[in-house]
Amino acid sequence: KNEVEQSPQNLTAQEGEFITINCSYSVGISALHWLQQHPGGGIVSLFMLSSGKKKHGRLIATINIQEKHSSLHITASHPRDSAVYICAVRSWNNDMRFGAGTRLTVKP
Amino acid sequence: EPEVTQTPSHQVTQMGQEVILRCVPISNHLYFYWYRQILGQKVEFLVSFYNNEISEKSEIFDDQFSVERPDGSNFTLKIRSTKLEDSAMYFCAIPSQDSLNSPLHFGNGTRLTVT
Repeated sequence: KNEVEQSPQNLTAQEGEFITINCSYSVGISALHWLQQHPGGGIVSLFMLSSGKKKHGRLIATINIQEKHSSLHITASHPRDSAVYICAVRSWNNDMRFGAGTRLTVKP
Repeated sequence: EPEVTQTPSHQVTQMGQEVILRCVPISNHLYFYWYRQILGQKVEFLVSFYNNEISEKSEIFDDQFSVERPDGSNFTLKIRSTKLEDSAMYFCAIPSQDSLNSPLHFGNGTRLTVT
């Protein structure tokens, strides 16, 4: 069983839709990261969370430590949001475990 | 926000050859990470480096791999004798505020192709 599970694996949405990507993990963590990987392969850090909720523009990330679950929300989605979104957790011994990613396609 | 430059962007090498992948953060950092991503697969942790020493490494990071900070700013990942399965995208990353409790900033990656 993967230590970091993301759902869905693939997601297609129409422009303007509200999008939710979920991440569940099974290990103890010190922090959770949401990353965006562009088609060219580059990785950008979106959020780092250890509790609660963070918001940046149209992106919102939440984490529930007790339930070992995090969600990434995108409001008013746009085709430029099309990318792979990756959940990664930092365990207490400082290594990082990555989810398999959610491939988001937003159609105009 | 710190910038991280990786060179080369693409390296093609023959099986059994040594390769050195380089990473240069725009400012001196104590923490440093290497990751890899085999085509079509998820990103995998290789090694974390703190204050000129390896702090954690994964099972992937075997004796074929080594990391160095040769001149106080550049970070290198060396693969001594490459195998076909080493073909992957290799990313270096640093915490944006040189603290474990800060977001990671990734380089653009080096695509390694072993033939």
